[in-house]
Amino acid sequence: AQSVTQPDIHITVSEGASLELRCNYSYGATPYLFWYVQSPGQGLQLLLKYFSGDTLVQGIKGFEAEFKRSQSSFNLRKPSVHWSDAAEYFCAVGADTGFQKLVFGTGTRLLVSP
Amino acid sequence: AAGVIQSPRHLIKEKRETATLKCYPIPRHDTVYWYQQGPGQDPQFLISFYEKMQSDKGSIPDRFSAQQFSDYHSELNMSSLELGDSALYFCASSSGQGGETQYFGPGTRLLVL
Repeated sequence: AQSVTQPDIHITVSEGASLELRCNYSYGATPYLFWYVQSPGQGLQLLLKYFSGDTLVQGIKGFEAEFKRSQSSFNLRKPSVHWSDAAEYFCAVGADTGFQKLVFGTGTRLLVSP
Repeated sequence: AAGVIQSPRHLIKEKRETATLKCYPIPRHDTVYWYQQGPGQDPQFLISFYEKMQSDKGSIPDRFSAQQFSDYHSELNMSSLELGDSALYFCASSSGQGGETQYFGPGTRLLVL
């Protein structure tokens, strides 16, 4: 069964500084990997996804993530954080077979300091 | 672009009452997923439907049932509500049969008193 670990519960970053959120997954076959962002009381917005091909994927809002099979990781990065990026970030893994549920990590809450 | 629509957005119920949550997928999406997110928790998969048939089942209580209709909208029926059912319920939709991207609705926040 799939599982996802997000080791950082909270991260505080200064506005304008770079950001990296960690995600490790466990899955026996080729994983489908996702990053979603959730603002307080809001739904889940897809930031980016990895299915295959180039291991560095670009997403919305200036985010990118790199898939590293050897490390079972899919870390999310942004070169310069804006105050509006403060939110909860969830990494999720899905299977490459049909109708598969997403398994989410426990999330990382990003705080942005002025 | 059209998104997933969920109704109602907020719902307050008493213990032992019933609730019905509705989900309207993105047009031409044939697969619907339901997730439950408790306070401070990550979303947990409940159940999914493809072409009106149940395709997968997660940790959904027996008190809950769901179905997908001919127009692909889905309803989650919750009976004998308990305090612990208070949560944000998300619906997501996707197109196709294999590992497709799931797009989430804004959620229905259920409060059981």
